[in-house]
Amino acid sequence: EDQVTQSPEALRLQEGESSSLNCSYTVSGLRGLFWYRQDPGKGPEFLFTLYSAGEEKEKERLKATLTKKESFLHITAPKPEDSATYLCAVQGSSNTGKLIFGQGTTLQVKP
Amino acid sequence: EAGVTQSPTHLIKTRGQQATLRCSPISGHTSVYWYQQALGLGLQFLLWYDEGEERNRGNFPPRFSGRQFPNYSSELNVNALELEDSALYLCASSSMAMSGYEQYFGPGTRLTVT
Repeated sequence: EDQVTQSPEALRLQEGESSSLNCSYTVSGLRGLFWYRQDPGKGPEFLFTLYSAGEEKEKERLKATLTKKESFLHITAPKPEDSATYLCAVQGSSNTGKLIFGQGTTLQVKP
Repeated sequence: EAGVTQSPTHLIKTRGQQATLRCSPISGHTSVYWYQQALGLGLQFLLWYDEGEERNRGNFPPRFSGRQFPNYSSELNVNALELEDSALYLCASSSMAMSGYEQYFGPGTRLTVT
């Protein structure tokens, strides 16, 4: 069964303190791995798509990487406005349209 | 470019009633997806519509249904509401012709069943 596990569940950082969020997945044929940011009570905001192992994508202070079994979201010198829940999702090779989401990592960055 | 829009923002219903939620996809997107995000739970896939047809549904009872209109907007109907249907309902859209497999989400409709 396709599954996504994110760790840690919650992360508290001081402003400027870099860290990484982990997303482990099992899927029968990876069509794509997606990172989203979700603020409380709002819809997820698309960040990155990764398609194959070794791929990396960057956006401002965020960098996403992908291996055959997991993905990392690296946050460099975070700011308080980076505080949010970060969601990882995968889509398998069979075109079901379905994204399988992890439970998310809630990041709090203190000034 | 306008994003995915959903209405209403909030909806309060009584157990046993029916709820109708609406979604307009990003211009040019032909696929619409519905997800449920209950408190403390992750996003759960409900339905996928593409070109007016239901392509896939998640593990939800038949009282969750919907449709997609010729202009690609979509409607989610929940019949015989139960207390556990209280959740944030998210709509997403995508188009293979315009992007990869990524789905772009709307702001959601908060459904409260009392």
